[in-house]
Amino acid sequence: SQTIHQWPATLVQPVGSPLSLECTVEGTSNPNLYWYRQAAGRGLQLLFYSVGIGQISSEVPQNLSASRPQDRQFILSSKKLLLSDSGFYLCAWSVQGYTEAFFGQGTRLTVV
Amino acid sequence: AQSVAQPEDQVNVAEGNPLTVKCTYSVSGNPYLFWYVQYPNRGLQFLLKYITGDNLVKGSYGFEAEFNKSQTSFHLKKPSALVSDSALYFCAVRDQKTSYDKVIFGPGTSLSVIP
Repeated sequence: SQTIHQWPATLVQPVGSPLSLECTVEGTSNPNLYWYRQAAGRGLQLLFYSVGIGQISSEVPQNLSASRPQDRQFILSSKKLLLSDSGFYLCAWSVQGYTEAFFGQGTRLTVV
Repeated sequence: AQSVAQPEDQVNVAEGNPLTVKCTYSVSGNPYLFWYVQYPNRGLQFLLKYITGDNLVKGSYGFEAEFNKSQTSFHLKKPSALVSDSALYFCAVRDQKTSYDKVIFGPGTSLSVIP
């Protein structure tokens, strides 16, 4: 069966520090991969999506970047965190086609 | 423009009573609709989807949803609510204007089931 791993679960980082959040998927090949941010416990904002290795598209301009070095690995990064980067970050995957997405457990990022 | 609305920010229901969480959508073409649930500090869990076929879709944990094309609605329902159903519920629609599987999420509805 397919599983998605996302870590760490919580992270407290100072302003100006770098960020690296990792997400891996098991049990499937060539998935679509997504990074979402959820602010204030509600709305989901799509940050990045990827349909293949090295193929990253950004939905909104921001202080973050994403990379997909392997088929089932998706990384969210920042060179210098801002206070406004605080939030709940969710990785998700889906089979290509009109299907549902499966989410990781999320990372609670607090920038201080 | 593709969009999803969840008109109720909060829904309260007594345990054992039926529950409904409302969702309306606006899409061009045939809609692909989804419901997800989120428990505190957790990722979203898929509940059910409508792609085509029977307008009544059954999903996980006893939930079902009714697709109504004329009213552009996809309300989530459960005949008898449990306290453990208390969570945040998201309706979503696939954005068919993109070449990938972009899903647009509604703002969420917080469901509280009162013992």
